[in-house]
Amino acid sequence: AQTVTQSQPEMSVQEAETVTLSCTYDTSESDYYLFWYKQPPSRQMILVIRQEAYKQQNATENRFSVNFQKAAKSFSLKISDSQLGDAAMYFCAYCGLYNFNKFYFGSGTKLNVKP
Amino acid sequence: NAGVTQTPKFQVLKTGQSMTLQCAQDMNHEYMSWYRQDPGMGLRLIHYSVGAGITDQGEVPNGYNVSRSTTEDFPLRLLSAAPSQTSVYFCASSYSPSGNAGELFFGEGSRLTVL
Repeated sequence: AQTVTQSQPEMSVQEAETVTLSCTYDTSESDYYLFWYKQPPSRQMILVIRQEAYKQQNATENRFSVNFQKAAKSFSLKISDSQLGDAAMYFCAYCGLYNFNKFYFGSGTKLNVKP
Repeated sequence: NAGVTQTPKFQVLKTGQSMTLQCAQDMNHEYMSWYRQDPGMGLRLIHYSVGAGITDQGEVPNGYNVSRSTTEDFPLRLLSAAPSQTSVYFCASSYSPSGNAGELFFGEGSRLTVL
């Protein structure tokens, strides 16, 4: 079974600084997708970024980028120029290439942004 | 632009009562699923469906029942509510991507309290 681990329950960052959230996963599959979702206090789950495992290039979306290390099964999220609106729970998620009905989530990291 | 609609958003039940959480999506997605979110545990898959008439169990199915008679609707039934089912429930839909990676589209969540 696939597992996703987020070892940082809570982190803090100063506004305008950079922060990295960690995620590791375990799978025997060779092709899969990885995601970072953001959950603000409104409870709505918002996709931040996604990575296809077969792509070597790390995904980037504006201030958000990932460091995908397939051999190490590591998928960290870097947030640059942190803003107050980035404060939220962040969840790392995995799904297999042919299993879009099953997503596996980490336990989440609460990000605090200090003004 | 409805996306995934869940009702009700809040519900309080007494132990032993039954209820149905409704979920509807208007994106013609083939996959639908239910997750529960508990503190420190992320989101865990309860049941999922890969199309009308087809459902299967996820990680934590006990105490829940689902059916999918149409592509749009995927209700979750609590047969006899227990305090352990106090949680936030998310309905989500997804699709088989062609070209780009798929993602989960979430409803706004339903907070259920069982007394």
